[in-house]
Amino acid sequence: KAGVTQTPRYLIKTRGQQVTLSCSPISGHRSVSWYQQTPGQGLQFLFEYFSETQRNKGNFPGRFSGRQFSNSRSEMNVSTLELGDSALYLCASSLGPSLLEQYFGPGTRLTVT
Amino acid sequence: ELKVEQNPLFLSMQEGKNYTIYCNYSTTSDRLYWYRQDPGKSLESLFVLLSNGAVKQEGRLMASLDTKARLSTLHITAAVHDLSATYFCAVDLGTDKLIFGTGTRLQVFP
Repeated sequence: KAGVTQTPRYLIKTRGQQVTLSCSPISGHRSVSWYQQTPGQGLQFLFEYFSETQRNKGNFPGRFSGRQFSNSRSEMNVSTLELGDSALYLCASSLGPSLLEQYFGPGTRLTVT
Repeated sequence: ELKVEQNPLFLSMQEGKNYTIYCNYSTTSDRLYWYRQDPGKSLESLFVLLSNGAVKQEGRLMASLDTKARLSTLHITAAVHDLSATYFCAVDLGTDKLIFGTGTRLQVFP
C-alpha cells in the first residue's frame, strides 16, 4: 500500500511569490492535515480537511489556504511568501475524521529567499 | 493558551541505560500522541493514548498518560543507538487539532 506522497519535495521561492504544495493521501483515507515545522516555532497545525471540507484551522494568516479534492488529494497555497515561511511542510492522512492512525508524508522543504 | 512542554529538550544517554521523557500540558485533554522523527525525515506515529491511565508499550519504549496531572511520559528501557531521534508529544484538544510539544532530541551513544 503506497504511503502519503507530497510534491514537490524541495522548493525555492522568492519573497512575494506564491507557492502550491500537493499531498496525496493513502488510498481510502479521507482526512488530510497539514503542519508547518520550523526550528523556531516547532511543529504547528495548519489545517485539516475531511471529505473536501475544512474542519479545523490553526493560527496562521490568511495567506495560508488549502483545499481538498473529491479524490481526497489536498493542496495548500501560500501567497505573498515571507522569509519566515521557510519550513518543512508535512501533510498527514487518516481514514476517518479523527487524528487516530495518522500517517505522515515525507514533507516539502520550502526555502524562501 | 494551550502549552505543551517537553523535558528534557536534549538527552544524551549511554546504551543500556533507562530514562524518561516528560510531556506536560496546560489544559484538559484525554488524547495524547507520541511521534518519532529521524533527522531530515518525516514523523512516525509511536503511541496513541486515549484515556487516563492508558499505558502502551512497543519494544524498549513505554508511554503513559495521567490526565489529572496533565502529564504523559515516554520511558526508554535499555537504550540502543537505533532509538536516537527526536520525540514529540502532541495533545489533541478534542477538536482534532493537534498541539505539539517542543520535542526531545535523544542521542544514544555506546
